[in-house]
Amino acid sequence: GAVVSQHPSWVICKSGTSVKIECRSLDFQATTMFWYRQFPKQSLMLMATSNEGSKATYEQGVEKDKFLINHASLTLSTLTVTSAHPEDSSFYICSASGLSDTQYFGPGTRLTVL
Amino acid sequence: GENVEQHPSTLSVQEGDSAVIKCTYSDSASNYFPWYKQELGKGPQLIIDIRSNVGEKKDQRIAVTLNKTAKHFSLHITETQPEDSAVYFCAARLDTGRRALTFGSGTRLQVQP
Repeated sequence: GAVVSQHPSWVICKSGTSVKIECRSLDFQATTMFWYRQFPKQSLMLMATSNEGSKATYEQGVEKDKFLINHASLTLSTLTVTSAHPEDSSFYICSASGLSDTQYFGPGTRLTVL
Repeated sequence: GENVEQHPSTLSVQEGDSAVIKCTYSDSASNYFPWYKQELGKGPQLIIDIRSNVGEKKDQRIAVTLNKTAKHFSLHITETQPEDSAVYFCAARLDTGRRALTFGSGTRLQVQP
């Protein structure tokens, strides 16, 4: 149990375009979902926390108008990178948490912006 | 806010030896400490976690110890195998109702066959 999926697993886009990444909890209801980004050989950096039906809480320094997060249901959260630029290229990982404290992570999405 | 330090950054052991990774945290209010294993190109996988009301937890070859007074916790892997090679992250969570984890910087474990 406790499986989290992400789609797509990788995406390449042109500079200026928007990209949407989906995060789904497959076998449990995720009251809270988290979005992280990870640069090569670095730790995970929390971008935002989202609760189902509420606006996301962004970490300091993360532009909420650039990284749009929607958590419309208990099994789905989406991250949209708007007007992507090469510096947005990174590994984006979501995690989901249900009634327990445990966070289960998705497999990640590698975004490359040309 | 919470700050988690992790050591060492890299660790190389011979197959069959033990590996120990240590983390310290700054906020005494933290009460949940998970460990994640991340293989190249994949998301982190929870391997073991411990809560502040216990001092040690074991799951087969993996164990975690917690010293609340000193504010540090450690991951112990015994009888290491090549498939244990990965990056390991410790994390801590504040008991404030917000479930965000603060991660350590990671330890790259290499098990030499």
